[in-house]
Amino acid sequence: DVKVTQSSRYLVKRTGEKVFLECVQDMDHENMFWYRQDPGLGLRLIYFSYDVKMKEKGDIPEGYSVSREKKERFSLILESASTNQTSMYLCASSLSGSLPLGDTQYFGPGTRLTVL
Amino acid sequence: AQKVTQAQTEISVVEKEDVTLDCVYETRDTTYYLFWYKQPPSGELVFLIRRNSFDEQNEISGRYSWNFQKSTSSFNFTITASQVVDSAVYFCALSDHYGNNRLAFGKGNQVVVIP
Repeated sequence: DVKVTQSSRYLVKRTGEKVFLECVQDMDHENMFWYRQDPGLGLRLIYFSYDVKMKEKGDIPEGYSVSREKKERFSLILESASTNQTSMYLCASSLSGSLPLGDTQYFGPGTRLTVL
Repeated sequence: AQKVTQAQTEISVVEKEDVTLDCVYETRDTTYYLFWYKQPPSGELVFLIRRNSFDEQNEISGRYSWNFQKSTSSFNFTITASQVVDSAVYFCALSDHYGNNRLAFGKGNQVVVIP
């Protein structure tokens, strides 16, 4: 079974703090993804990575950065958290590199971040 | 333009009733993939099914079944004899070349099964 884990289920931070969300997958997947999920807006892609040290912007990268130093780990960084970044953050991974068509993504349990 | 439309926001059913979730998609491609995911209250999206555009066979997996109709651009999902554990948000998603192979998700259907 594919296992994607996220470092925290719930996180509360203050405005202006630097926030790290960590994601680890144990299936040697090439691709990793960060989404945010908001009521009425569905899931939106923030960033993804198809290889170590590689990253691609998704639909809403503003205010976020990412880091992938090891294949199994993908970090989402909020350089200076703001209240409009309060959301559910979901990490996912998929097997094949370079994001081929139809590659199935497997998701972690999510981190519910609140920025006060 | 929305690529994946799930029109019913919230659906309530009494346990043991059947429930069908509609998914209508839009794509210019002839080759594409469709997915369904389940998100229970715990939050994790659970992969249910993947279907490519050349495979129009309907699929059944236990109490779950899927009806793919290319002619109407729909990929509907039916839960037969619903149970309380089926209470979740269900997402339909599309992957096509036009979208750079990324997943485009619908807004989701909240299913509430009443005991």
